[in-house]
Amino acid sequence: DIQMTQSPSSLSASVGDRVTITCRASQSTNNYLNWYQQKAGKAPKLLIYAASSLQSGVPSRFSGSGSGTDFTLTINSLQPEDFATYYCQQSYTTPQTFGQGTKVEIK
Amino acid sequence: QVQLVESGGGVVQPGRSLRLSCAASGFTFSRYVMQWVRQAPGKGLEWVAELWYDGNNQHYADSVKGRFTVSRDTSKNTLYLQMNSLRAEDTAVYYCARGGVATRHYGMDVWGQGTTVTVSS
Repeated sequence: DIQMTQSPSSLSASVGDRVTITCRASQSTNNYLNWYQQKAGKAPKLLIYAASSLQSGVPSRFSGSGSGTDFTLTINSLQPEDFATYYCQQSYTTPQTFGQGTKVEIK
Repeated sequence: QVQLVESGGGVVQPGRSLRLSCAASGFTFSRYVMQWVRQAPGKGLEWVAELWYDGNNQHYADSVKGRFTVSRDTSKNTLYLQMNSLRAEDTAVYYCARGGVATRHYGMDVWGQGTTVTVSS
């Protein structure tokens, strides 16, 4: 199984900050790496697919980068509605696996 | 509009069975790979099962293999998750989610609201 490790597990940031979350896979995901946002009590929302493609309707302040085993989600100019938990997920092979999540909190 | 609506959750005793349903609308259900993902209370996301677009191939997490079965009824545009021999550790919110057209590779772009399963005596 491909293990996904996110860092940090949580972070505190202010509105307007640039936030970076990293995700490392235990083996190559062939860039089939996706990022989701989840707010409390809600279903996850797809933000980025295939490492760097922005899902339709997602604000351009969200971006993804990386390849192979190391990936990054960047949020430029953090907005109040961005405070949530973020997950990476590999969809290269089954079992599909998620990172443990990164909670972005208000400083 | 494109929508997934789960149902069938509830409280069940260990060892018993439950069937979850996920009604799809607004898209051609039979063309898509469909997924089940769960989230235990206070925990992260866990992929559970996948049904291939042709309806003939399924894949499961090791934690549910042999106990859970994913299936669909294309005449009803409904995805199912039959859960047998339930354990306390199966307690979670269960989400169905849409994968891609004939692929899993590009993430899950539509999610249901989730249905809660509690396994307790």
